[in-house]
Amino acid sequence: DGGITQSPKYLFRKEGQNVTLSCEQNLNHDAMYWYRQDPGQGLRLIYYSQIVNDFQKGDIAEGYSVSREKKESFPLTVTSAQKNPTAFYLCASSIGRGTYQAETQYFGPGTRLLVL
Amino acid sequence: ELKVEQNPLFLSMQEGKNYTIYCNYSTTSDRLYWYRQDPGKSLESLFVLLSNGAVKQEGRLMASLDTKARLSTLHITAAVHDLSATYFCAGTTSGTYKYIFGTGTRLKVLA
Repeated sequence: DGGITQSPKYLFRKEGQNVTLSCEQNLNHDAMYWYRQDPGQGLRLIYYSQIVNDFQKGDIAEGYSVSREKKESFPLTVTSAQKNPTAFYLCASSIGRGTYQAETQYFGPGTRLLVL
Repeated sequence: ELKVEQNPLFLSMQEGKNYTIYCNYSTTSDRLYWYRQDPGKSLESLFVLLSNGAVKQEGRLMASLDTKARLSTLHITAAVHDLSATYFCAGTTSGTYKYIFGTGTRLKVLA
């Protein structure tokens, strides 16, 4: 079955620590995204990538970093510079090929990050 | 830059009643999307609206798009408890893959 997987489901971060959230898709999608969702809030875009080896900052990129070395993978690192990282993190992908307009996004199950 | 606003933010309704969720957006948006999120879960795609006048229906949910008014609606017919969830609309701007989400409408259907 095609889909998006995220791991871990829960992640605990100690102060000053960097942590990495995994996102893998086997949908053959070019575009991938990371969102942050705070309780009772909407989704805020952290980073997105339209193609391998390229990515753009979203609205709240400070304190986060990403890489896109493979089409299937788009890991997100929450660095120690992110002072309030407790949130639900959602990864998504969409076809996003060439100049064709964006299709609907498919979302992973999410990772809940908590600070110790 | 595209901005997306939904209203109401919260909606409590009786089973069997009809209601509409509104999604306004600030500038031209090529496509309008509707998603559903159950508590503690991820988002599930409901509808993609491609052009002015587009209407899509799935079960008790019907979505429409009016690009001239910059408005999309999600209409709920004869609500049932299983429809309780948070509903998000999102838009994209031509030439980008950046999706802008509304703040969501938390729907609670009371038996």
